[in-house]
Order: sequence, then structure tokens, then C-alpha cells
Amino acid sequence: DTGVSQNPRHKITKRGQNVTFRCDPISEHNRLYWYRQTLGQGPEFLTYFQNEAQLEKSRLLSDRFSAERPKGSFSTLEIQRTEQGDSAMYLCASSLYGTSYEQYFGPGTRLTVT
Amino acid sequence: AQSVTQPDIHITVSEGASLELRCNYSYGATPYLFWYVQSPGQGLQLLLKYFSGDTLVQGIKGFEAEFKRSQSSFNLRKPSVHWSDAAEYFCAVGEYGNKLVFGAGTILRVKS
Repeated sequence: DTGVSQNPRHKITKRGQNVTFRCDPISEHNRLYWYRQTLGQGPEFLTYFQNEAQLEKSRLLSDRFSAERPKGSFSTLEIQRTEQGDSAMYLCASSLYGTSYEQYFGPGTRLTVT
Repeated sequence: AQSVTQPDIHITVSEGASLELRCNYSYGATPYLFWYVQSPGQGLQLLLKYFSGDTLVQGIKGFEAEFKRSQSSFNLRKPSVHWSDAAEYFCAVGEYGNKLVFGAGTILRVKS
């Protein structure tokens, strides 16, 4: 198992454009989490899934943000009409709920909105 | 609401010296506690975790942490720091399987 992977690793976009990020969790993990990290801060929770069900969304997740995990495997995070304040590192993590409670993180997607 | 405080934004230690990074949490029940390390531009790597049992937990890379319920603390320690330990360290608290709440991090610099 190669761990959690995220694509792309870097994304530069112009304000107002839509972007989509992908996360592939550790294969047997049933929970998948999205976090956002801005410079000088710790990661902040955005949302998480158990299998394909989205169980919780943070108030940070405005209506411009949407996340899916259509078949309970990979997940996508889409940001519509990007703003400069969306510039951040977007981190994905996964865990095996029911067996352990550790969350394993991917390398992140660095978004820069110009 | 859950919260985590890491009082030290930066810490500089000499290579070979001991290290202690502080973490205080606020949580209503018995917390799950974690320490992660992040190298520049990278994701987070789990160093160690605590939920129950022995309050002194061992992790990877020679790190350990001690849970002190009376002080709401979960400080990270290492007896002898190596230059490769230079990174940012995050303490986190959470419920089983649910979201984690992270502190703002402590940047460790190691001087030779």
C-alpha cells in the first residue's frame, strides 16, 4: 500500500475559476477526511465521509465548496468561483473506523489563487 | 468545544540536546491525542497517539509523549535531537474516528 495520494500536488488558478482536487485513500480505509491548512496555522477540518456518506461538514465549507466520494473509494473536493482567500494547502486523510483511530495524511494539494 | 494550544511558535535547540514541545487541550471527555510532524511542503506524519492506558506513550523516531489529565497536557519529548528532526510539529485532539482539532504548530529549529 502506497498510502494516501492527492492530485494535483500544486494548482495555480485565476480568481473566479473552478478547481477540483482528488484524494485516493489507503485502500481498505472507510473514512476519508478533508482539511485545509493556511500558512502558519494547523490544519482545519472541512468535511469527512464514511464510505460514500458525507457525515459532517464544517462551517468553513461555504456553498462554493463541494465534496464527493461516489463509490466509497476516492474523493473529490471542488471549489467553485475561487477567491484569493481559498489559497491554502488542502490535505486529505483516511482511517479505518472500527479498527483503529489514526488518521493518515496525504501530501496535500497546494492551491494558489491569483 | 475542543481546542488545542501550543504555546511555543518556534523552538531552537542544539543538536544532541533534549527537547520538549508543549501541548494543552480542552476537551470534555477522554480525548484521543496525537502528535504529527510536517516537513516543508509535505503532509503530516503521525508520530504517536494516546487514548487510554499507560500515560507515557512511545512513538516513532525516538519521540515520546506524556498524558497528564490534571494539567490537560500532552507534551512531546525527545532525549537527544538530531538535525533531521527540524520540522513543524502539531498536536491534535479528537474523538474516535471523527475530526481532529489541531494546534497552530511549533516550528523546531536544530542548530549544530
